[in-house]
Parts: sequence; C-alpha cells; structure tokens
Amino acid sequence: DIRMTQSPSTLSASIGDRVTIACRASQSISSWLAWYQQKPGKAPKLLIYRASSLESGVPSRFSGSGSGTEFTLTISSLQPDDFATYYCQQYNSVSWTFGQGTKVEIK
Amino acid sequence: EVQLVESGGGLVQPGGSLRLSCAASGFTFSSFEMNWVRQAPGKGLEWVSYISTSSVTTLYEDSVKGRFTISRDNAKNSLYLQMNSLRAEDTAVYYCARVGGYPDNWGQGTLVTVSS
Repeated sequence: DIRMTQSPSTLSASIGDRVTIACRASQSISSWLAWYQQKPGKAPKLLIYRASSLESGVPSRFSGSGSGTEFTLTISSLQPDDFATYYCQQYNSVSWTFGQGTKVEIK
Repeated sequence: EVQLVESGGGLVQPGGSLRLSCAASGFTFSSFEMNWVRQAPGKGLEWVSYISTSSVTTLYEDSVKGRFTISRDNAKNSLYLQMNSLRAEDTAVYYCARVGGYPDNWGQGTLVTVSS
C-alpha cells in the first residue's frame, strides 16, 4: 500500500496568514493527488485534484503543487471559513490512501 | 446536479450485519466507478472498498475482506455495502464516493455504530 504522510498534524495561524501543508507519498504517484477540506460533522469537500487543478467553485486562494512523492497545499491568505481539517489523498492506485490530516486552528 | 445519498446506518451489536445503500442521481451511474470510505469518530479517512462500472472488479481493505461485500445495481442507480460479522472497530461514518477521473463527488455519509 502507498503510505501518505502529512505535516504538520496541527497548525495555528491567524487571519491573512499564508499557510502551507505538506504531503509525502511512500512511492511515486505521479500527479494523482487530491486535497480535501473537512469541517466537523460534514463530508470532505474536494479542493484540488491532479495535484494542482482547482475544483470548480473553490476560492483561488487555495493552490496545490508537486508531483512524484512531494506535494503541497497552500492557502495564500487564510480566511475565517478556512479553519478546518485538511487531508491529502492518493488515487494512483485503486485502493486509495489518505494522509492523517492537518488541523488548521485559530492562533 | 450530482447527488449521492447514503442510508442504512444504525446501531448494531457485535457480530451483526447491516446493509448500506447509496442512491445516485444527476449523472449516468453505470459509467462511473464507485468506492466506500469510512471515518471512525475523531479519526481520519480510510478507504474501504471499490467496484468497477460493470461489477467485474471489486477490491477491499484488508480488515474488511471476507466480511464486507460491495455491489451495485446500475438499473436502480444504487451502490451497496453488505457488512457482516461487524466489530466495534467498524464504528464509523461511511461515505460513498464517485470516481470521475478523480474522486469528484462524495455523499454526506451514514453512521454505523457497533456496540452491545
């Protein structure tokens, strides 16, 4: 199985901060990576697919980069609605795997 | 509008069975591969099972192999997960998810609680 490792596990930030979350795959997954935002009691919301493609309707302050084994999700200017948990997911193999999540908290 | 609506969750005793359903609408269900993903309370996301468009290929996470069965009825636009020999560690919200080149749509989830 492909292991996905996110860092950090928790991130404290202020409104307007630039936030970066890293995700590493245990083997190359090309660009078959998605990023999700999840709020308590809600389903995950797709933000980014194919490592850097912005899902329709997602604000442009979200961006993704990387390929192979190293990936990054960036929020250019953190907004109040962005405090949530973020997950990366590989779909290079049919048996998906997810990172453990990064909780973005208010500083 | 694409919609995926899960149902069938509830409280079940250890060793019991439950059948989850996922009703699809707003797209040609038979053209899309489907998955089940679960999330235990306070934990991260875990892939559970996959089914191809024609049901020829099914895959399972190791801990559910031999206990869970994924299936679909393309005529009814529905996805299913038959869960047998349930354990406390199967307690989770179960989501169905569509693969449209990438995992592009998820349902809202249904809660399964395994407890005596």
